[in-house]
This record gives sequence, structure tokens and C-alpha cells, in this order.
Amino acid sequence: DAGVIQSPRHEVTEMGQEVTLRCKPISGHDYLFWYRQTMMRGLELLIYFNNNVPIDDSGMPEDRFSAKMPNASFSTLKIQPSEPRDSAVYFCASRAPGQGPYFGPGTRLTVT
Amino acid sequence: QQQVKQSPQSLIVQKGGISIINCAYENTAFDYFPWYQQFPGKGPALLIAIRPDVSEKKEGRFTISFNKSAKQFSLHIMDSQPGDSATYFCAAANTGNQFYFGTGTSLTVIP
Repeated sequence: DAGVIQSPRHEVTEMGQEVTLRCKPISGHDYLFWYRQTMMRGLELLIYFNNNVPIDDSGMPEDRFSAKMPNASFSTLKIQPSEPRDSAVYFCASRAPGQGPYFGPGTRLTVT
Repeated sequence: QQQVKQSPQSLIVQKGGISIINCAYENTAFDYFPWYQQFPGKGPALLIAIRPDVSEKKEGRFTISFNKSAKQFSLHIMDSQPGDSATYFCAAANTGNQFYFGTGTSLTVIP
């Protein structure tokens, strides 16, 4: 298995622009997580899905953030409009019950 | 509120020595405790995990020790190697799939 796949790996955008991060979880995993990592705040859970249904989005910082999982093999995290304070590494992770989660390589987002 | 407290923040160990990283938690509902290893520019990689029904789990040079009564668990890296130099995160999760991560320990193994 290729593991969790994320794209793009790097994203540089200007403040106010829309940013879309993409994730393909490991096949057969029914949980998908979006995390954000910064030096100041460490790893923060933004939202997680179970069987494509959002279960807990209490970590989503504000309405500018939204996430979808239209099917078992694809999820997106969208930021609109983006702000410099959104600069971070965003990780997608997936797990099957009793194990993991397994993280993707991350997307390094820089908002100027 | 930090659900999982991790220490030390950084650790320097001589090659061949034992690296020990500690974590503590308060929520007794946690029932799954994984450790992750993260190299610069990479995602955290699951290293080893334990459940509270056992006090120790060993995989190669990596051992988790778990003290349920003290609500503490630790990672021991035996015969530490320069290639082990990375940031290590502990985590705790409940059946609700809420994973809480420690703040990380930067390990440097000196040749």
C-alpha cells in the first residue's frame, strides 16, 4: 500500500486566496483525520470523519475552514480566504479500528 | 488544557545509550497509547503502541512501559543510534477516536 497520499506537498499563496488540500487515505481505513502542526501549538486535530461522515469538527479554527469527504478514498480541506496565520503543515491521517492513525507526508502551506 | 504531558522537551544521548521519554495523562477513559517518530519534513510515523491491559510492550529496540495506576507511560530506546535522532510524540486516545498528542521530544543521538 502507498500509505496516505497528500497533495500538494507545498503550497504558497497570497492572503485572501482559496487553498484546497487533498488527501487519499489508506484503502480500507474508515477513519480520516486532518491535523495542523505548528511550532507554537504542536499537532492540533482539526476534524475527523468516520465512514465519510464528519464526526467532530470542533478543532476547525473558524468558518474559513471547511472539510469534505465525498467518498472513502478522497477528502479535501479548504481554507477560504487564507490568512498568514494559517501557515503550517497540514497532515491527513487514516486508521482502521484498533490501530494507527497513519499520517501522510503533509502539505506545507505558506500564506504571504 | 494539555491532555497529555510529555517530557523532556529535548534529549541528548550518546550512541549506544538508553533514551527515555515520559508521558502522563489524566483521563482514565484513554485506552490506546501510541508513540510516533517524526523526521524533519516528514509526517509522524507510528512506532509502537500499547493498551492499558499490559504493562510493557517491546518491538526491537523500542519498549513502552505503562503504569496504569500512575497514569504514566514511557518510551525507552535501547542502544540508541544516530539514525534515531528525530522528534518523538506520545499520544492517548479513547474509544471516541479523540487522539491527544504530547508536545514532542527532540532526540539527538551523538555518535
